[in-house]
Amino acid sequence: SSELTQDPAVSVALGQTVSITCQGDSIRDHYASWYQQKSGQAPVLVIYGKNNRPSGIPDRFSGSSSGNTASLTITGAQAEDEADYYCNTRDRGGFRWVFGGGTKVTVL
Amino acid sequence: QVQLVQSGPEMKKPGASVKVSCKASGYNFIGYHMHWVRQAPGQGLEWMGIINPSGGRADYAQKFQGRLTVTRDTSTSTVYLDLSNLRPEDTAVYFCARDNSDGGTYWWFDPWGQGTLVTVSS
Repeated sequence: SSELTQDPAVSVALGQTVSITCQGDSIRDHYASWYQQKSGQAPVLVIYGKNNRPSGIPDRFSGSSSGNTASLTITGAQAEDEADYYCNTRDRGGFRWVFGGGTKVTVL
Repeated sequence: QVQLVQSGPEMKKPGASVKVSCKASGYNFIGYHMHWVRQAPGQGLEWMGIINPSGGRADYAQKFQGRLTVTRDTSTSTVYLDLSNLRPEDTAVYFCARDNSDGGTYWWFDPWGQGTLVTVSS
């Protein structure tokens, strides 16, 4: 099965911009979705498709994709954005899905 | 509103089986596939399997083949995860999540259940 690779951790100053990347062959075929998970809570969808935000997700969250890499960008990070972020996409050629290892975002 | 409510925490001994339920409400149950995802303590999310509630067909991650069975009861809009031959490393929070798709280009998981902690210990 395919794998999705994420950096384990990134930090960003309050109000600044940070991008999280997700690399894998599956992303050449399918857009990734992105999930925010705060400690002790269920994941929450923040971006899906080309660059779609569910209702209630602030517009400082955006997504993009190129080649085998998907990116989640937080423009003007807020303290409440501190969380783990996971990418996910459907595996190549099969009815299976795969998650990235997750990126811990720290807002300084 | 669309909601997934899971059963309560479980404590099992190695070698036993566990069955976790996920009750859906607020939408057409048979119109959406359902995923199961787990998260071991301090670890990331791991996709386990998916079921089509309409026909009952399930597909599983290779890692869980032979130990995992996902079923559904359309009369109660409930999906079940049954994991057998439990090991301590199966200790995790298990989540159900509804599948959504644009028709073939991209998929997303929303909403998620609240999670069910399964602890495997002798």
